[in-house]
Amino acid sequence: DVKVTQSSRYLVKRTGEKVFLECVQDMDHENMFWYRQDPGLGLRLIYFSYDVKMKEKGDIPEGYSVSREKKERFSLILESASTNQTSMYLCASRAGLSYNEQFFGPGTRLTVL
Amino acid sequence: AQSVTQLDSQVPVFEEAPVELRCNYSSSVSVYLFWYVQYPNQGLQLLLKYLSGSTLVKGINGFEAEFNKSQTSFHLRKPSVHISDTAEYFCAVSEYGGATNKLIFGTGTLLAVQP
Repeated sequence: DVKVTQSSRYLVKRTGEKVFLECVQDMDHENMFWYRQDPGLGLRLIYFSYDVKMKEKGDIPEGYSVSREKKERFSLILESASTNQTSMYLCASRAGLSYNEQFFGPGTRLTVL
Repeated sequence: AQSVTQLDSQVPVFEEAPVELRCNYSSSVSVYLFWYVQYPNQGLQLLLKYLSGSTLVKGINGFEAEFNKSQTSFHLRKPSVHISDTAEYFCAVSEYGGATNKLIFGTGTLLAVQP
């Protein structure tokens, strides 16, 4: 079974802190994704990566950056956390083309005070 | 650009009753269609997907969905729901083609099954 793990289930940070969210997948998938999930808004894509060191902006990249130095790991970085970044963050991975299933991690609920 | 509309934010239903969760999409090109489910405090998992061929697609846990190209719909159905089906359901669409194509999600429908 594909497994996607996220470094924390719950995280509390202060405004202005630099925040790292880590995601690791164990199935050698080429594609990895970061979403944020907010009530009434569904999932919105922040960034995705289709290969090591490659990244593309999603629909809401402002205030975020990403890093993919190894195929299995995709990190989301909040350079200076703000209260409007309080949300659930979901990581996913996918093999190859867009008709394939995305496998999701359990999510990280981030609260910025 | 593609978009997905799930008009019902919440659907209450009694146990053993049938249910339909509605999904409409908009796209100028051919698409793949997906339904994902999110149980409380978990990530999403795939219920079913439509790629091509037969318009009736069967998924896990007794769910099925029908692709209707003329109405640009992909409604999810189950003939008899259980308490354990209580979850949030997301419809999603992706364009045909390459590895860089994104998945666009709807806003979700919370299915609340009552005893």
